Amino acid sequence: GAGVSQSPSNKVTEKGKDVELRCDPISGHTALYWYRQSLGQGLEFLIYFQGNSAPDKSGLPSDRFSAERTGGSVSTLTIQRTQQEDSAVYLCASRRLAGSSYNEQFFGPGTRLTVL
Amino acid sequence: QKEVEQDPGPLSVPEGAIVSLNCTYSNSAFQYFMWYRQYSRKGPELLMYTYSSGNKEDGRFTAQVDKSSKYISLFIRDSQPSDSATYLCAMGKGSSNTGKLIFGQGTTLQVKP
Repeated sequence: GAGVSQSPSNKVTEKGKDVELRCDPISGHTALYWYRQSLGQGLEFLIYFQGNSAPDKSGLPSDRFSAERTGGSVSTLTIQRTQQEDSAVYLCASRRLAGSSYNEQFFGPGTRLTVL
Repeated sequence: QKEVEQDPGPLSVPEGAIVSLNCTYSNSAFQYFMWYRQYSRKGPELLMYTYSSGNKEDGRFTAQVDKSSKYISLFIRDSQPSDSATYLCAMGKGSSNTGKLIFGQGTTLQVKP
């Protein structure tokens, strides 16, 4: 079956503009995660969705960042008033069943965001 | 101090060499340990998953966990040019069911033919 898909694959924007990044998880996966990977850095957790539960937003770096997940499937990460330090690869991952002991997350290819 | 520390490298080895990649961590709550491989401009893919201390082998790859030392390793035997990638260690806390992972910085490996 299809893996996690993300769009756009690349996004160049000007400082101060808003951007929306999209993630389509694997069908049937109940958990969805957003991570940020800056140049030469590991993955930084941003936000986690599980079913209809309130999302875990503990990793969002500022109130300019927000995310939603509609209908328990597609998710959108929004960055308002982008800054140059927001330039990074934004990765989405989904997981089959939260609460299971097996924690494998399947990652999408990422969206490379460049803020000029 | 970061919860998970990983030497970013880069690490360059000749084909056929044994590669050792390592991570240390500070939080004893971590119970799940994983190694992800990430090729250039791709998302990470799970390579190895371990839950307890000890060794786990899969083909040319061996994952080792030492909880007493808070140290994990990934060994690659008979390394191939196709192993050239960034290797990320990741850890999860067993007390939580969120599956939120904490990643190391990643080690860039180049295997030269």
